[in-house]
Amino acid sequence: DTGVSQNPRHKITKRGQNVTFRCDPISEHNRLYWYRQTLGQGPEFLTYFQNEAQLEKSRLLSDRFSAERPKGSFSTLEIQRTEQGDSAMYLCASSLGSGKTDTQYFGPGTRLTVL
Amino acid sequence: AQSVAQPEDQVNVAEGNPLTVKCTYSVSGNPYLFWYVQYPNRGLQFLLKYITGDNLVKGSYGFEAEFNKSQTSFHLKKPSALVSDSALYFCAVRDLTSGGSYIPTFGRGTSLIVHP
Repeated sequence: DTGVSQNPRHKITKRGQNVTFRCDPISEHNRLYWYRQTLGQGPEFLTYFQNEAQLEKSRLLSDRFSAERPKGSFSTLEIQRTEQGDSAMYLCASSLGSGKTDTQYFGPGTRLTVL
Repeated sequence: AQSVAQPEDQVNVAEGNPLTVKCTYSVSGNPYLFWYVQYPNRGLQFLLKYITGDNLVKGSYGFEAEFNKSQTSFHLKKPSALVSDSALYFCAVRDLTSGGSYIPTFGRGTSLIVHP
Protein backbone atom coordinates (compact mmCIF):
# COMPACT_ATOMS: atom_id res chain seq x y z
CA ASP A 1 0.00 0.00 0.00
CA THR A 2 1.50 3.36 -1.00
CA GLY A 3 -0.96 5.63 0.80
CA VAL A 4 -0.45 7.77 3.87
CA SER A 5 0.07 5.66 6.99
CA GLN A 6 -0.32 6.65 10.63
CA ASN A 7 0.73 4.91 13.81
CA PRO A 8 -0.65 4.03 16.20
CA ARG A 9 -4.24 3.79 15.04
CA HIS A 10 -5.53 4.07 18.59
CA LYS A 11 -3.97 5.47 21.74
CA ILE A 12 -5.45 5.52 25.23
CA THR A 13 -3.55 7.49 27.83
CA LYS A 14 -4.02 9.03 31.22
CA ARG A 15 -4.25 12.75 31.72
CA GLY A 16 -0.83 14.30 32.13
CA GLN A 17 1.03 11.74 30.06
CA ASN A 18 2.91 12.53 26.86
CA VAL A 19 1.99 10.89 23.57
CA THR A 20 3.65 10.83 20.15
CA PHE A 21 2.06 9.99 16.81
CA ARG A 22 3.81 9.18 13.57
CA CYS A 23 2.79 9.91 9.99
CA ASP A 24 4.43 8.45 6.88
CA PRO A 25 3.34 10.39 3.80
CA ILE A 26 3.05 9.16 0.26
CA SER A 27 6.54 8.75 -1.14
CA GLU A 28 7.94 11.94 -2.70
CA HIS A 29 5.13 14.14 -1.39
CA ASN A 30 6.78 17.35 -0.26
CA ARG A 31 3.92 18.67 1.87
CA LEU A 32 2.56 17.22 5.07
CA TYR A 33 -0.39 18.46 7.11
CA TRP A 34 -1.71 17.62 10.58
CA TYR A 35 -5.37 18.07 11.46
CA ARG A 36 -7.54 17.35 14.47
CA GLN A 37 -11.09 16.12 14.12
CA THR A 38 -13.66 15.88 16.89
CA LEU A 39 -17.07 14.25 16.70
CA GLY A 40 -19.46 16.15 14.47
CA GLN A 41 -16.81 18.46 13.09
CA GLY A 42 -14.67 18.68 10.01
CA PRO A 43 -10.88 18.49 10.20
CA GLU A 44 -9.28 21.48 11.92
CA PHE A 45 -5.83 22.48 10.75
CA LEU A 46 -2.95 22.15 13.22
CA THR A 47 0.27 22.55 11.28
CA TYR A 48 1.85 22.20 7.85
CA PHE A 49 5.31 21.29 6.54
CA GLN A 50 6.87 21.82 3.17
CA ASN A 51 9.78 19.41 3.09
CA GLU A 52 11.37 19.77 6.55
CA ALA A 53 10.24 23.35 7.13
CA GLN A 54 7.22 23.98 9.35
CA LEU A 55 5.53 26.83 7.49
CA GLU A 56 2.26 27.36 9.32
CA LYS A 57 0.87 26.63 12.75
CA SER A 58 -2.68 27.07 13.94
CA ARG A 59 -3.59 28.95 17.08
CA LEU A 60 -5.07 25.58 18.13
CA LEU A 61 -1.51 24.31 18.46
CA SER A 62 -0.76 25.20 22.06
CA ASP A 63 2.69 25.05 23.62
CA ARG A 64 1.95 21.46 24.61
CA PHE A 65 1.89 20.42 20.97
CA SER A 66 4.99 20.05 18.84
CA ALA A 67 5.52 18.60 15.40
CA GLU A 68 8.64 17.69 13.48
CA ARG A 69 9.56 16.46 10.05
CA PRO A 70 13.30 16.09 10.43
CA LYS A 71 14.29 14.78 7.01
CA GLY A 72 11.33 15.90 5.00
CA SER A 73 9.85 12.43 5.03
CA PHE A 74 7.91 11.11 8.04
CA SER A 75 6.54 13.44 10.69
CA THR A 76 5.79 13.15 14.40
CA LEU A 77 3.24 15.00 16.46
CA GLU A 78 3.84 15.08 20.21
CA ILE A 79 1.36 16.19 22.85
CA GLN A 80 2.80 16.84 26.27
CA ARG A 81 0.81 16.75 29.51
CA THR A 82 -2.32 15.52 27.77
CA GLU A 83 -5.70 16.85 28.81
CA GLN A 84 -9.14 15.32 28.36
CA GLY A 85 -9.88 17.99 25.76
CA ASP A 86 -7.13 16.55 23.58
CA SER A 87 -9.26 13.48 22.91
CA ALA A 88 -9.87 13.49 19.17
CA MET A 89 -8.91 11.88 15.89
CA TYR A 90 -5.56 13.20 14.64
CA LEU A 91 -5.31 13.12 10.86
CA CYS A 92 -2.26 13.44 8.67
CA ALA A 93 -2.38 14.34 4.99
CA SER A 94 0.27 14.70 2.32
CA SER A 95 0.43 16.34 -1.09
CA LEU A 96 2.78 17.14 -3.93
CA GLY A 97 2.87 20.72 -5.07
CA SER A 98 4.35 24.16 -4.97
CA GLY A 99 1.28 26.35 -5.33
CA LYS A 100 -2.19 26.29 -3.87
CA THR A 101 -3.73 23.65 -6.12
CA ASP A 102 -2.24 20.52 -4.59
CA THR A 103 -4.58 17.72 -3.56
CA GLN A 104 -4.26 16.37 -0.04
CA TYR A 105 -4.43 12.63 0.60
CA PHE A 106 -5.32 11.60 4.12
CA GLY A 107 -4.15 8.78 6.31
CA PRO A 108 -6.49 6.64 8.44
CA GLY A 109 -5.94 8.77 11.53
CA THR A 110 -4.88 8.14 15.13
CA ARG A 111 -7.71 8.16 17.65
CA LEU A 112 -6.56 9.54 21.00
CA THR A 113 -8.53 8.97 24.18
CA VAL A 114 -7.36 10.78 27.30
CA LEU A 115 -8.78 9.34 30.52
CA ALA B 1 -11.07 35.01 4.98
CA GLN B 2 -12.47 31.77 3.63
CA SER B 3 -15.37 29.70 4.89
CA VAL B 4 -17.59 26.84 3.82
CA ALA B 5 -21.05 25.83 4.94
CA GLN B 6 -22.82 22.51 4.67
CA PRO B 7 -26.39 23.42 5.61
CA GLU B 8 -27.63 19.87 6.14
CA ASP B 9 -26.35 17.69 8.96
CA GLN B 10 -27.99 14.65 7.39
CA VAL B 11 -29.39 13.68 4.01
CA ASN B 12 -31.61 10.66 3.58
CA VAL B 13 -32.24 9.10 0.17
CA ALA B 14 -33.58 5.82 -1.13
CA GLU B 15 -31.26 3.52 -3.06
CA GLY B 16 -31.50 4.17 -6.78
CA ASN B 17 -32.67 7.75 -6.34
CA PRO B 18 -30.50 10.76 -7.18
CA LEU B 19 -28.70 12.43 -4.30
CA THR B 20 -27.46 15.95 -3.63
CA VAL B 21 -25.25 17.10 -0.77
CA LYS B 22 -25.10 20.87 -0.52
CA CYS B 23 -22.10 23.15 -0.01
CA THR B 24 -21.72 26.91 -0.17
CA TYR B 25 -18.49 28.82 0.19
CA SER B 26 -17.03 32.26 0.74
CA VAL B 27 -13.62 33.45 -0.44
CA SER B 28 -12.01 36.76 -1.32
CA GLY B 29 -10.64 35.58 -4.65
CA ASN B 30 -11.06 32.49 -6.78
CA PRO B 31 -11.97 29.27 -4.97
CA TYR B 32 -10.33 25.89 -5.06
CA LEU B 33 -13.08 23.50 -3.97
CA PHE B 34 -13.07 19.82 -3.13
CA TRP B 35 -15.14 17.02 -1.69
CA TYR B 36 -13.98 14.22 0.56
CA VAL B 37 -15.82 11.17 1.94
CA GLN B 38 -15.18 9.59 5.33
CA TYR B 39 -16.28 6.11 6.36
CA PRO B 40 -16.53 5.23 10.09
CA ASN B 41 -13.19 5.28 11.88
CA ARG B 42 -11.35 6.04 8.66
CA GLY B 43 -9.50 9.00 7.21
CA LEU B 44 -10.88 11.18 4.46
CA GLN B 45 -10.88 9.92 0.88
CA PHE B 46 -10.60 12.41 -1.97
CA LEU B 47 -13.61 12.44 -4.33
CA LEU B 48 -13.17 15.39 -6.68
CA LYS B 49 -11.98 18.97 -7.03
CA TYR B 50 -12.69 22.17 -8.92
CA ILE B 51 -10.06 24.76 -9.80
CA THR B 52 -11.15 26.20 -13.12
CA GLY B 53 -12.83 25.21 -16.36
CA ASP B 54 -16.00 23.18 -16.82
CA ASN B 55 -18.47 23.84 -14.03
CA LEU B 56 -19.43 20.16 -13.85
CA VAL B 57 -16.66 18.10 -12.32
CA LYS B 58 -16.67 14.32 -12.37
CA GLY B 59 -14.99 12.33 -9.64
CA SER B 60 -14.65 8.92 -8.06
CA TYR B 61 -17.41 6.35 -7.50
CA GLY B 62 -19.81 8.06 -9.93
CA PHE B 63 -19.96 11.32 -8.00
CA GLU B 64 -19.96 14.72 -9.65
CA ALA B 65 -20.20 18.29 -8.43
CA GLU B 66 -21.49 21.47 -9.98
CA PHE B 67 -19.70 24.76 -9.43
CA ASN B 68 -21.99 27.79 -9.46
CA LYS B 69 -20.13 31.06 -9.08
CA SER B 70 -23.19 33.29 -8.80
CA GLN B 71 -24.64 31.18 -5.99
CA THR B 72 -21.20 30.43 -4.49
CA SER B 73 -22.14 26.78 -4.34
CA PHE B 74 -20.46 23.47 -5.06
CA HIS B 75 -23.10 20.78 -4.55
CA LEU B 76 -22.16 17.11 -4.71
CA LYS B 77 -24.42 14.89 -6.81
CA LYS B 78 -24.89 11.31 -7.92
CA PRO B 79 -27.57 10.12 -10.35
CA SER B 80 -28.31 6.86 -8.54
CA ALA B 81 -27.44 6.32 -4.88
CA LEU B 82 -26.07 3.07 -3.47
CA VAL B 83 -26.37 1.84 0.11
CA SER B 84 -22.57 1.74 0.15
CA ASP B 85 -22.51 5.52 -0.42
CA SER B 86 -23.69 5.97 3.17
CA ALA B 87 -20.90 7.94 4.84
CA LEU B 88 -19.85 11.39 6.02
CA TYR B 89 -19.14 13.93 3.27
CA PHE B 90 -16.96 17.01 3.66
CA CYS B 91 -16.72 20.04 1.42
CA ALA B 92 -13.60 22.21 1.63
CA VAL B 93 -12.35 25.44 0.12
CA ARG B 94 -9.05 27.17 -0.35
CA ASP B 95 -8.73 30.78 -1.52
CA LEU B 96 -6.46 30.96 -4.57
CA THR B 97 -5.72 34.65 -4.07
CA SER B 98 -1.97 35.19 -4.20
CA GLY B 99 -0.46 35.37 -0.76
CA GLY B 100 -2.37 34.17 2.25
CA SER B 101 -2.73 30.71 3.69
CA TYR B 102 -2.22 27.38 1.97
CA ILE B 103 -4.62 25.80 4.40
CA PRO B 104 -8.10 24.70 3.32
CA THR B 105 -11.19 25.20 5.44
CA PHE B 106 -13.46 22.19 5.85
CA GLY B 107 -17.19 22.16 6.44
CA ARG B 108 -18.74 20.36 9.39
CA GLY B 109 -19.77 17.45 7.23
CA THR B 110 -23.04 15.95 6.04
CA SER B 111 -24.07 12.45 6.93
CA LEU B 112 -25.54 10.68 3.91
CA ILE B 113 -27.83 7.76 4.64
CA VAL B 114 -28.99 5.65 1.72
CA HIS B 115 -31.90 3.37 2.56
CA PRO B 116 -32.32 0.01 0.79
